[in-house]
Amino acid sequence: GAGVSQSPRYKVAKRGQDVALRCDPISGHVSLFWYQQALGQGPEFLTYFQNEAQLDKSGLPSDRFFAERPEGSVSTLKIQRTQQEDSAVYLCASSLFGRGSSYNEQFFGPGTRLTVL
Amino acid sequence: DAKTTQPPSMDCAEGRAANLPCNHSTISGNEYVYWYRQIHSQGPQYIIHGLKNNETNEMASLIITEDRKSSTLILPHATLRDTAVYYCIVTNNAGKSTFGDGTTLTVKP
Repeated sequence: GAGVSQSPRYKVAKRGQDVALRCDPISGHVSLFWYQQALGQGPEFLTYFQNEAQLDKSGLPSDRFFAERPEGSVSTLKIQRTQQEDSAVYLCASSLFGRGSSYNEQFFGPGTRLTVL
Repeated sequence: DAKTTQPPSMDCAEGRAANLPCNHSTISGNEYVYWYRQIHSQGPQYIIHGLKNNETNEMASLIITEDRKSSTLILPHATLRDTAVYYCIVTNNAGKSTFGDGTTLTVKP
């Protein structure tokens, strides 16, 4: 079956524009994660969903960042009024089980590279 | 979340074993050690994970010390395609996972 897909793969935005990044997780996966990865650094956790519930949004850097997963499958990460420091690769990952499982391998998508001019 | 410490870079000769260390001295009892690797321009890929016992799969072996404060990922016969950034993370499977900056492994012919 298909893995995790993300769209668009590349996005260029002018400072101040709003952007929406889409993640299609593996079908049936309960957990969904968003990460931000700056150049040369490891992925930084943004937010976590278990089905449609956003259980952890402690990593979202400001109130300009908003994520949703309304039907427990596809997720969208929205960034309002983009700024240059938002330039990064945004990674989405899904895993089969929810919280508390002893096995929770994350399957990552290829990421969306956002460049804010 | 427990933090991890890894050397920023390592070299390994092709065909030899690559041993990648990770310190996680603040790990708590219900936290697992996971290893992922990331090849340029791709998302991270799962390699292996463990709680307290050593683990082996088709990709690698994971050795966790008895006190669980450190671990070593072993690639038994490194190939050029194993050149990547390797991340050691600890997670209590409550959702949040904290990646560090990883170890850049360069396999040389």
